[in-house]
Amino acid sequence: GAVVSQHPSRVICKSGTSVKIECRSLDFQATTMFWYRQFPKQSLMLMATSNEGSKATYEQGVEKDKFLINHASLTLSTLTVTSAHPEDSSFYICSAATGYEAFFGQGTRLTVV
Amino acid sequence: AQSVTQLDSQVPVFEEAPVELRCNYSSSVSVYLFWYVQYPNQGLQLLLKYLSGSTLVKGINGFEAEFNKSQTSFHLRKPSVHISDTAEYFCAVKAQDYNTDKLIFGTGTRLQVFP
Repeated sequence: GAVVSQHPSRVICKSGTSVKIECRSLDFQATTMFWYRQFPKQSLMLMATSNEGSKATYEQGVEKDKFLINHASLTLSTLTVTSAHPEDSSFYICSAATGYEAFFGQGTRLTVV
Repeated sequence: AQSVTQLDSQVPVFEEAPVELRCNYSSSVSVYLFWYVQYPNQGLQLLLKYLSGSTLVKGINGFEAEFNKSQTSFHLRKPSVHISDTAEYFCAVKAQDYNTDKLIFGTGTRLQVFP
């Protein structure tokens, strides 16, 4: 199957700093990429949808200025958590879609201290 | 709009026993259906999908699911589970609509296999 690489897998940062998470589709071009947030023992919450070359579409309640999404190419999307705070600590997962299917990255465990 | 209900938040089962994880959905349009598995601190892996055709779908790791349109269900089954099947399982739907690629997830079912 198609491979989506997400980096880093774990990151610890200080409160007030910014963190960038990368999501790459390694062997296919993704028409759309998605960013999810997952709280412990809960389902995935869609944060935003991004298409290459256009602005991301954010779900209701997600702060656009805090969670910056850049979709520079058909194989790369980045999520930057700006001025991170402890409440931003979570598991973030990206997904790349092609046709009917979505393929998921390994996830990034963000801990803000 | 679509919604997905996974009635069981946790399913405990002994090794080599059969298991069924339930999934019901709601949608005003036709949908594609998926089951994903998530191991701790990892992303989601596709187990199987229903796009069209035969309502009985076979996936990886010995899992299968049956699409029942009249009952709007897509239950996941395995005749004999292993310890390694312990994980979180998510049912998801996607509208058969070229205007959206969104996957709608259920709340997940934690399958715990005991020796």
